[in-house]
Amino acid sequence: DGGITQSPKYLFRKEGQNVTLSCEQNLNHDAMYWYRQDPGQGLRLIYYSQIVNDFQKGDIAEGYSVSREKKESFPLTVTSAQKNPTAFYLCASSPGGQGGINEQFFGPGTRLTVL
Amino acid sequence: AQTVTQSQPEMSVQEAETVTLSCTYDTSESNYYLFWYKQPPSRQMILVIRQEAYKQQNATENRFSVNFQKAAKSFSLKISDSQLGDTAMYFCAFDGGTSYGKLTFGQGTILTVHP
Repeated sequence: DGGITQSPKYLFRKEGQNVTLSCEQNLNHDAMYWYRQDPGQGLRLIYYSQIVNDFQKGDIAEGYSVSREKKESFPLTVTSAQKNPTAFYLCASSPGGQGGINEQFFGPGTRLTVL
Repeated sequence: AQTVTQSQPEMSVQEAETVTLSCTYDTSESNYYLFWYKQPPSRQMILVIRQEAYKQQNATENRFSVNFQKAAKSFSLKISDSQLGDTAMYFCAFDGGTSYGKLTFGQGTILTVHP
């Protein structure tokens, strides 16, 4: 089945530690995205990538880093510089390209809690 | 920058009745795309319906339809014959046609369907 997987589902981190959230897609999509969702709020864009080996900052990139070495993978690292990392993180992908409708497909999410 | 506003934090409806969720947006672009996403308690984001701004006809998907008023920058979602499974948070999202699929989300509306 084609889709997007995220792991782990739940993640606990001690203050001062870096953690990496995994996102994999087998939809052959060019574009991938990371969003953060806080309780009762909408999704905010952290980073996005339109193509392999290229990515851009979103609205709230501070304290996060990403890589895009393979088309199907877009891992997100939450660094110790992120002051309030406890949140629900969603990964998405879309066919990509400029112009035309770009429907995004979402993974099941990772709940990150800082202890 | 685009903004998306959902003015109803919470809504409720009786099973089998009709409910309308509101969304307004602000943009200077002329060609863009609008989406409604559903996030049930599982937190999996699911696309409900989409609308291309250049199309005058309102989109419809089974029990879901939109009222797209381009001049007023309004994009409301109507759910007919509400079902218990419609209970979820609903997000309105905007994609500028030149933004490579980046989405701007509203704050969300929690919809509860009562038996």
